[in-house]
Amino acid sequence: LAKTTQPISMDSYEGQEVNITCSHNNIATNDYITWYQQFPSQGPRFIIQGYKTKVTNEVASLFIPADRKSSTLSLPRVSLSDTAVYYCLVGGHNTDKLIFGTGTRLQVFP
Amino acid sequence: NAGVTQTPKFRVLKTGQSMTLLCAQDMNHEYMYWYRQDPGMGLRLIHYSVGEGTTAKGEVPDGYNVSRLKKQNFLLGLESAAPSQTSVYFCASSPRRSMNTEAFFGQGTRLTVV
Repeated sequence: LAKTTQPISMDSYEGQEVNITCSHNNIATNDYITWYQQFPSQGPRFIIQGYKTKVTNEVASLFIPADRKSSTLSLPRVSLSDTAVYYCLVGGHNTDKLIFGTGTRLQVFP
Repeated sequence: NAGVTQTPKFRVLKTGQSMTLLCAQDMNHEYMYWYRQDPGMGLRLIHYSVGEGTTAKGEVPDGYNVSRLKKQNFLLGLESAAPSQTSVYFCASSPRRSMNTEAFFGQGTRLTVV
């Protein structure tokens, strides 16, 4: 499993775009990059997953550069309800374990 | 559609008591996981299962046992509870190997050992 590094915490204001970057220098050829969101007192929730370039869904965008050694989760125009912990996970189709790191705690202010 | 259901939601145990946490999923998923989350920390994998009748150790398996006798259920047991096992426990399931698919989580069980 590739080791991931993300900022411990980030602050933002409502309406701003938030970008959370995850470093994964040892990513393997068949590894995917997956992001989960966890609200207080709830289990994590899948947000987005990608392999290369850019992936977008109704919640977020995921940007992956060509070397795939990092990835950026982009949340457009955040609101107070986006206050949560965001986890970056990296692993491949031959990985049975689902390992979470410490995540990035995002606080959105009014 | 219930998804992943954990029972109970809250429990207080005395040191040395035993208990079993139940995780049930109705999505016919092959993979199931048990995690613990301590205050301000990320999730740590305790045990996991890749199919009915199989289990494997995760990052922090000591003091816990698991069983997967039925595909839809994954049980986590504490034989002799210790205060260090005070935590929130989450169960998850996924249809196949989790790193290229979505995992679904339960609502958590808050366990206090006194």
